[in-house]
Amino acid sequence: KQEVTQIPAALSVPEGENLVLNCSFTDSAIYNLQWFRQDPGKGLTSLLLIQSSQREQTSGRLNASLDKSSGRSTLYIAASQPGDSATYLCAVNTNAGKSTFGDGTTLTVKP
Amino acid sequence: GAVVSQHPSRVICKSGTSVKIECRSLDFQATTMFWYRQFPKKSLMLMATSNEGSKATYEQGVEKDKFLINHASLTLSTLTVTSAHPEDSSFYICSARDLLAGGTATDTQYFGPGTRLTVL
Repeated sequence: KQEVTQIPAALSVPEGENLVLNCSFTDSAIYNLQWFRQDPGKGLTSLLLIQSSQREQTSGRLNASLDKSSGRSTLYIAASQPGDSATYLCAVNTNAGKSTFGDGTTLTVKP
Repeated sequence: GAVVSQHPSRVICKSGTSVKIECRSLDFQATTMFWYRQFPKKSLMLMATSNEGSKATYEQGVEKDKFLINHASLTLSTLTVTSAHPEDSSFYICSARDLLAGGTATDTQYFGPGTRLTVL
């Protein structure tokens, strides 16, 4: 059974800092991995998707990496802003479309 | 891009009533949709896999008679919470995968905006 762990559970940083969120998974037989953002009381916003054959994906200030063999992914946020404050979820997807989510990292960026 | 919608976005009901939540894929067909549940300050847990034209597959611990799933068409799956109780209050999210013609899956899993259910 796939298990997804995200570390840290919570993170508070001053504005402008670069930061890294970590995601690990136990079964390396994944189809792809997705990073989401969730604001309080809201749904999911997809940030980046990495195919199992890829090593990284970039979108603006976000960069996600994937090391399937070691069961790890990181989400790098450059020059953090208060608007980045949210919970970030990592989801590992099977080729059938089923997702296993981590518990998330709650990020607070202080002005 | 492909979009998945949910209706309603928010519902409040009395204990003992049933509530139906719809999940629609707006510009693609989905033979399979997934229903997730999120408790406060927790992550999403898969409840069941909704299969078009056949019975849903439920995850261990999810009561199939409590959470009725119907996937009547390639663009619509419904989740009905029967005889709802306060402990059923949660955030319910569906997802669907855009399958290209021929059965080759595209990359992205699309998630709906979620439905917040509050049972009084």
